[in-house]
Amino acid sequence: QVQLVESGGGVVQPGGSLRLSCAGSGFTFSSYGMHWVRQAPGKGLEWVAAIWYDGAFTKYADSVKGRFTISRDNVESTMSLHMNSLRADDTAVYYCARDIGTFDYWGQGTLVTVSS
Amino acid sequence: TTLTQSPAIISATPGDTVNISCRASQDIDDDLNWYQQKPGEGINFIIQEASSLVPGVPPRFRGSGYGTDFTLTIDNMESEDAAYYFCLQHDRFPYSFGQGTKLEIK
Repeated sequence: QVQLVESGGGVVQPGGSLRLSCAGSGFTFSSYGMHWVRQAPGKGLEWVAAIWYDGAFTKYADSVKGRFTISRDNVESTMSLHMNSLRADDTAVYYCARDIGTFDYWGQGTLVTVSS
Repeated sequence: TTLTQSPAIISATPGDTVNISCRASQDIDDDLNWYQQKPGEGINFIIQEASSLVPGVPPRFRGSGYGTDFTLTIDNMESEDAAYYFCLQHDRFPYSFGQGTKLEIK
């Protein structure tokens, strides 16, 4: 069955960096676009970034543009989110989601806490 | 596109019909989905393209609407339906979400 597993979350100081990963299994990873979505504590969800199935195109929310970079490795069936210049308002659970024209499967999420 | 979801919290008794609204700030055709989130269980895809039930989802879940006004209806609600529900528009980037509705059991 389709599985998405995020990893890499943790506590980081403001201004720091972190790299999140999403491992896909149970489907042909290279055939699907992928997304990152986040949910701050007690808040609604926010779309963060998207990458096309072949990695040729990417899109970012204005709130992370220039600080976050989405990438993928279709050989390893993984997607990454490189996060730089982290701020307190980046604190959230980060989810990866598969794109079928919309989101069908989601991972369980990984918590990123930006705090000194 | 801003999605305004209401109510924020709803308390219902098993057997009730529950309605959750999602209003878009501009026309999004039927590019709206509904999801269910339960603590520790992840996020489940329940309604796609405004009104199509995702395979495997109980038929007591119904979606309706087009353009800017959408509704998720749970007929004859069951206690296992207690969860957080949210809508997503995928008509255009940046994709956006409703603020969510917490469905509680009375």
